[in-house]
Amino acid sequence: GENVEQHPSTLSVQEGDSAVIKCTYSDSASNYFPWYKQELGKRPQLIIDIRSNVGEKKDQRIAVTLNKTAKHFSLHITETQPEDSAVYFCAGGGGTSYGKLTFGQGTILTVHP
Amino acid sequence: DAGITQSPRHKVTETGTPVTLRCHQTENHRYMYWYRQDPGHGLRLIHYSYGVKDTDKGEVSDGYSVSRSKTEDFLLTLESATSSQTSVYFCAISESRLAGVDEQYFGPGTRLTVT
Repeated sequence: GENVEQHPSTLSVQEGDSAVIKCTYSDSASNYFPWYKQELGKRPQLIIDIRSNVGEKKDQRIAVTLNKTAKHFSLHITETQPEDSAVYFCAGGGGTSYGKLTFGQGTILTVHP
Repeated sequence: DAGITQSPRHKVTETGTPVTLRCHQTENHRYMYWYRQDPGHGLRLIHYSYGVKDTDKGEVSDGYSVSRSKTEDFLLTLESATSSQTSVYFCAISESRLAGVDEQYFGPGTRLTVT
């Protein structure tokens, strides 16, 4: 089955800096890669996703890049704000794991004012 | 938030007792999932359902069973709860129309403590 590794486990930045979180996956058939944000005590919520026929996708201050050859994808947050502080999860799925997603271990992002 | 509710939201139970968690959706989505969330492990899939009475195991299914008799309800049962099943349990739903997998929407979670 799919295996998703996420790094770093914690990330601390100053407000206004950029933050990058990286994930690798094992199943070359996976074709859907979402990113979820989870605030303390809340449910995970989708912030951006990318499919394997696209190399990059942007939505305001966040962007995701995908390298299918290397089997890794990254989340980029620019001009970070304190409200970006949360746990971020990457996930991979589709292909041979029809209907299922495998999640990374999560990254605790702290943005200091 | 998508129309997903979980009940109960909090539960404390004793080792060896049976526990059932309920997930209810109003979106008529085909796929439903149960995850557990533990520090350092992210979200791990317990069981999922791809239709009424159609279920399959996830990566951490031992000690858990599920049932789906209606599109809107997905039940997770711990037959005999153990302390290692203390966790936060999330239900999720998905239409999964595109290329085999699609966005998953999560419920509010159930915090289960087994003493």
